[in-house]
Amino acid sequence: DAMVIQNPRYQVTQFGKPVTLSCSQTLNHNVMYWYQQKSSQAPKLLFHYYDKDFNNEADTPDNFQSRRPNTSFCFLDIRSPGLGDAAMYLCATSREGTPETQYFGPGTRLLVL
Amino acid sequence: GENVEQHPSTLSVQEGDSAVIKCTYSDSASNYFPWYKQELGKRPQLIIDIRSNVGEKKDQRIAVTLNKTAKHFSLHITETQPEDSAVYFCAAGNTNAGKSTFGDGTTLTVKP
Repeated sequence: DAMVIQNPRYQVTQFGKPVTLSCSQTLNHNVMYWYQQKSSQAPKLLFHYYDKDFNNEADTPDNFQSRRPNTSFCFLDIRSPGLGDAAMYLCATSREGTPETQYFGPGTRLLVL
Repeated sequence: GENVEQHPSTLSVQEGDSAVIKCTYSDSASNYFPWYKQELGKRPQLIIDIRSNVGEKKDQRIAVTLNKTAKHFSLHITETQPEDSAVYFCAAGNTNAGKSTFGDGTTLTVKP
């Protein structure tokens, strides 16, 4: 019954070693979002896709990239992870964007050594 | 861009009491106001939302009010239970922007 799936749930990487987080959805939603959430903070939007249209937030570091090869899948690539990138990464989807309900995945917790 | 302020940052109530969390937003174009509950280590989950053409919405023990003129909206939880303990986030969304901005969250503790 999982609707928004994130793999892996926990990811350990080394400082500077590229890492990819994945998200898939069974809802056939047009919009997919990537958020970064650090401990005791609000989710911070990194970017989102409306279908194939990519929308980057102005303050998202260049170190973060995303790919959406099809409707179901979306990837977050961190090219050179730093210690400050350790966080929970949440993927979310919505049918048509705001104002629509966002459905969150369980998140991937990234640890950078 | 949109700026959402949420208060209080922590709230402790006795079981059975009511809890109120307030948010203000800055962008008058915002037209969607969801509230999310996030338990420790889990994903945010929508608990209630309101759109700008509605002033109040209620779902059992949870209600949300919206004042578009003053640009503020509030979450009301009545007859609180220990399982209501979590972090609550408000957000303000904009159709044109296609995204929502989150408040900083309120940690609610309901004491049995």
